[in-house]
Amino acid sequence: GAGVSQSPRYKVAKRGQDVALRCDPISGHVSLFWYQQALGQGPEFLTYFQNEAQLDKSGLPSDRFFAERPEGSVSTLKIQRTQQEDSAVYLCASSRGTVQETQYFGPGTRLLVL
Amino acid sequence: EDQVTQSPEALRLQEGESSSLNCSYTVSGLRGLFWYRQDPGKGPEFLFTLYSAGEEKEKERLKATLTKKESFLHITAPKPEDSATYLCAVKGFEGSGGSNYKLTFGKGTLLTVNP
Repeated sequence: GAGVSQSPRYKVAKRGQDVALRCDPISGHVSLFWYQQALGQGPEFLTYFQNEAQLDKSGLPSDRFFAERPEGSVSTLKIQRTQQEDSAVYLCASSRGTVQETQYFGPGTRLLVL
Repeated sequence: EDQVTQSPEALRLQEGESSSLNCSYTVSGLRGLFWYRQDPGKGPEFLFTLYSAGEEKEKERLKATLTKKESFLHITAPKPEDSATYLCAVKGFEGSGGSNYKLTFGKGTLLTVNP
């Protein structure tokens, strides 16, 4: 079946511009995660949704970062007033259940802020 | 707080030269230890989940093992197509400084297999 998809794959933004990153999880998956991966580093947790409820947003770096999943499927990560330090790969993952389920990752969106 | 340290940072092997990657972890209660493979420009691809010390899992040339403090990813007779970054991650119990859903990753080991 289809895996996790993300769009756009690449995004170049001027500093101060707002961006929106989309994630389409595997159909029927309850849990959805956003991670940020800096160059040469492992992914770092940003936020977690169970269906449409955002249960944890403790990893979001600042109040410029906002995520939503209004209908419990597609999710959008929005970054307002982008800064150069926001440049990274943003990964989305989904899992069928919650606790011990395997997380399956999408290809990521590579964001470059100039 | 859950912590994961992977070593070495980079490993270069000749085709057919077996070796192991190490993942040391600190977690109050382990819900699972995960190994992923990541190719350049792609997202992590799931390989294995280990849940308790002594557990082993195999897939083709890869074998993952788990103790109470570390996990090893053994690569037997590697081929050039095994070249990738290998990521280790843990999931801990809620209330232990980790959570029972989010993954804490190490920085990865960049494996290069030369023909």
